[in-house]
Amino acid sequence: QKEVEQNSGPLSVPEGAIASLNCTYSDRGSQSFFWYRQYSGKSPELIMFIYSNGDKEDGRFTAQLNKASQYVSLLIRDSQPSDSATYLCAGSYSNYQLIWGAGTKLIIKP
Amino acid sequence: DVKVTQSSRYLVKRTGEKVFLECVQDMDHENMFWYRQDPGLGLRLIYFSYDVKMKEKGDIPEGYSVSREKKERFSLILESASTNQTSMYLCASRPGANQPQHFGDGTRLSIL
Repeated sequence: QKEVEQNSGPLSVPEGAIASLNCTYSDRGSQSFFWYRQYSGKSPELIMFIYSNGDKEDGRFTAQLNKASQYVSLLIRDSQPSDSATYLCAGSYSNYQLIWGAGTKLIIKP
Repeated sequence: DVKVTQSSRYLVKRTGEKVFLECVQDMDHENMFWYRQDPGLGLRLIYFSYDVKMKEKGDIPEGYSVSREKKERFSLILESASTNQTSMYLCASRPGANQPQHFGDGTRLSIL
């Protein structure tokens, strides 16, 4: 059974610090990974996606993929109160579907 | 920007009614998806479609059906609504395999 696991949190981080969100996956066949942010009562919005081992940076966000260890992480630098949300990790497989983690709730404390 | 439009943000229906949820995307995407999201249960896939008139069951298809007659439109049908189908329903689309999914705003459906 393909699984993507995330710590549900909440993860509490002071404003201005680095928030580190982690995700592990069970199936080495996963080809790409996605991070979504979801505010309460809203739909998920794509933050980043990563296909290759290593780091990918976009503004304050960095996604990291380590296929040998089967984990994906999202770093948020200079965390802002507006970053408080639930972050969903998903892995893509060849049968069109995404396998979703349950999400990590992030709280940025002013 | 990708635009995925769901027909209603909020909907209230009665038990036993046939309910239609509509989703339209404007980016000529091949794949479309219907999810429901409930507190503590995360995103659960109901059905997806990888091409016009093609559909596959997801993890929780019971009590639902879908229709994709045109590429841009994917409809979710609750054949006979029940109270346990009260939920947030999310439609998503993407160009193809291994590409990001883009979500609509969601429909919060209440079955009374």
